[in-house]
Amino acid sequence: DAGVIQSPRHEVTEMGQEVTLRCKPISGHNSLFWYRQTMMRGLELLIYFNNNVPIDDSGMPEDRFSAKMPNASFSTLKIQPSEPRDSAVYFCASSLSLDSPLHFGNGTRLTVT
Amino acid sequence: KQEVTQIPAALSVPEGENLVLNCSFTDSAIYNLQWFRQDPGKGLTSLLLIQSSQREQTSGRLNASLDKSSGRSTLYIAASQPGDSATYLCAVSSNTGKLIFGQGTTLQVKP
Repeated sequence: DAGVIQSPRHEVTEMGQEVTLRCKPISGHNSLFWYRQTMMRGLELLIYFNNNVPIDDSGMPEDRFSAKMPNASFSTLKIQPSEPRDSAVYFCASSLSLDSPLHFGNGTRLTVT
Repeated sequence: KQEVTQIPAALSVPEGENLVLNCSFTDSAIYNLQWFRQDPGKGLTSLLLIQSSQREQTSGRLNASLDKSSGRSTLYIAASQPGDSATYLCAVSSNTGKLIFGQGTTLQVKP
């Protein structure tokens, strides 16, 4: 299995632009998570899905952030408009079930200038 | 609100030492606890998962224990090696699947 696949690996954009991060979970996994990692705040849970349905989006910082999971093999995290404080590494992760280990992608490093 | 704390934040040991990393959580109503490893510039790799009904899990030189009532877990690494150098994170899961991470312990094992 190729593991959790995230794209792009790096994204540099200007403040005010729209940013879309993409994630392909491991085939057959029922849960998908989006995390953001910074030196100051560590790993923060933004949103997670179970069977393509958002379960908890309380970690989404503002209305500028939105996430979708249109099918079991694809999810997007969108930031519109982006701001410099959104600069971070964004991770997608998936798991087979609540009893199973979480598998992480390699992340997308976002820089907003 | 669940909070996860890891102590120490950083640790440096000579090769061959046995060491213990600590993790504490404020809400004992957890579903499971996982320990992860993160290498610089990489994603996280799951090391061990302990269900709430279990007391410990072992994988090779790694042993993780869980004391749910006191809100604590430890990760024991035996005979440390330079290749063990990384950041180690613990995370606790609620019964809805919400997984909250600690800030991690950065370990350096010197040859």
